[in-house]
Amino acid sequence: DAKTTQPNSMESNEEEPVHLPCNHSTISGTDYIHWYRQLPSQGPEYVIHGLTSNVNNRMASLAIAEDRKSSTLILHRATLRDAAVYYCILREYTGGFKTIFGAGTRLFVKA
Amino acid sequence: KAGVTQTPRYLIKTRGQQVTLSCSPISGHRSVSWYQQTPGQGLQFLFEYFSETQRNKGNFPGRFSGRQFSNSRSEMNVSTLELGDSALYLCASSSAVGEKLFFGSGTQLSVL
Repeated sequence: DAKTTQPNSMESNEEEPVHLPCNHSTISGTDYIHWYRQLPSQGPEYVIHGLTSNVNNRMASLAIAEDRKSSTLILHRATLRDAAVYYCILREYTGGFKTIFGAGTRLFVKA
Repeated sequence: KAGVTQTPRYLIKTRGQQVTLSCSPISGHRSVSWYQQTPGQGLQFLFEYFSETQRNKGNFPGRFSGRQFSNSRSEMNVSTLELGDSALYLCASSSAVGEKLFFGSGTQLSVL
């Protein structure tokens, strides 16, 4: 199984950009890169996903390295509501999809 | 549109018992997957169903099983419960296999 590696925690100031890194050096060509975040006592919430190209949506941007061995989730202006655990996930296709979670990065946002 | 619904929200069982957890996906979603979340192991993939067929399975013992019904609702069963099965069990649905996942709030299972 492919694996993802994320920093345990990161800190950001409110209204500043945040770059959350993820390494997935064993990724295969058909694996999708997903990002989810989880608040206490809630299930994970979808943030963004991509395969090879950089992606943008209203919540965030996803920058994928050319060799796909790493990716970065970019929150353009962090708010206090963005404080959560962020998971970088590989959706690995093996006939069906298997979802491989990293340990997640706990993001602290300072006012 | 209603989200993913998991029942019950909390459950207490004793060792050796079995348990069945239920998941109702978002209307129109045909793919359902299950996950176990513990403080020590984090989030781990259990299995994924699409159109009543299990498409993939994680590295869990055979005591963990699941099924999906024709209306896409899914259940997972854990037999012969062990203390280590205490966890938050999360269900997620998607419109198709591989698409973004929508998670429920989970069932918190405590095994005494």
